[in-house]
Amino acid sequence: AQSVTQLDSQVPVFEEAPVELRCNYSSSVSVYLFWYVQYPNQGLQLLLKYLSGSTLVESINGFEAEFNKSQTSFHLRKPSVHISDTAEYFCAVSLPRAGGTSYGKLTFGQGTILTVHP
Amino acid sequence: DVKVTQSSRYLVKRTGEKVFLECVQDMDHENMFWYRQDPGLGLRLIYFSYDVKMKEKGDIPEGYSVSREKKERFSLILESASTNQTSMYLCASSLFTRNEQYFGPGTRLTVT
Repeated sequence: AQSVTQLDSQVPVFEEAPVELRCNYSSSVSVYLFWYVQYPNQGLQLLLKYLSGSTLVESINGFEAEFNKSQTSFHLRKPSVHISDTAEYFCAVSLPRAGGTSYGKLTFGQGTILTVHP
Repeated sequence: DVKVTQSSRYLVKRTGEKVFLECVQDMDHENMFWYRQDPGLGLRLIYFSYDVKMKEKGDIPEGYSVSREKKERFSLILESASTNQTSMYLCASSLFTRNEQYFGPGTRLTVT
């Protein structure tokens, strides 16, 4: 079975500072990796995903994440954060064979609350 | 855009009541999921469904049941609500061959 650990429950930063949200996973097989974001009083939105290919993936709003197979990590980074990035961020894994018995189930980490201060 | 809607944003129920949470998606997705979200625990899968009338238990199915009579609709049922079921409930859907899930806005359920 897969598991996901988000190493920080809360990360406070000042506006325009860089940030890294850490995610480690455990799996005996290859996995797909995701970052979701949840703004206050909303559902989750997909931020970015790693399925295969380049280990560095980017989102449209300046976040990026790097898949590191040897360290089983998928850390999320942004070089300069904005107040509007304040949200809870979830790392998730799934088995690649969505059409098989995995049915695309996601296993989530505990979440990291990013608070950006002015 | 994929749209997943949930019947209520906020719900207050009494202990012992039967509670129905409804979820509807408009993109013809085969898979639908129910999660509960609690602080510090992330999202935990309660049940999922990969086809009409088909259902599978997730990680925490105890105290819950589900119904999927139509492809677009997936209902979560609390047969006899208890205070430890106070939580945020999130519904999601995905295509059978894809892993990306699309989430509804959530229902915050309080059981008193």
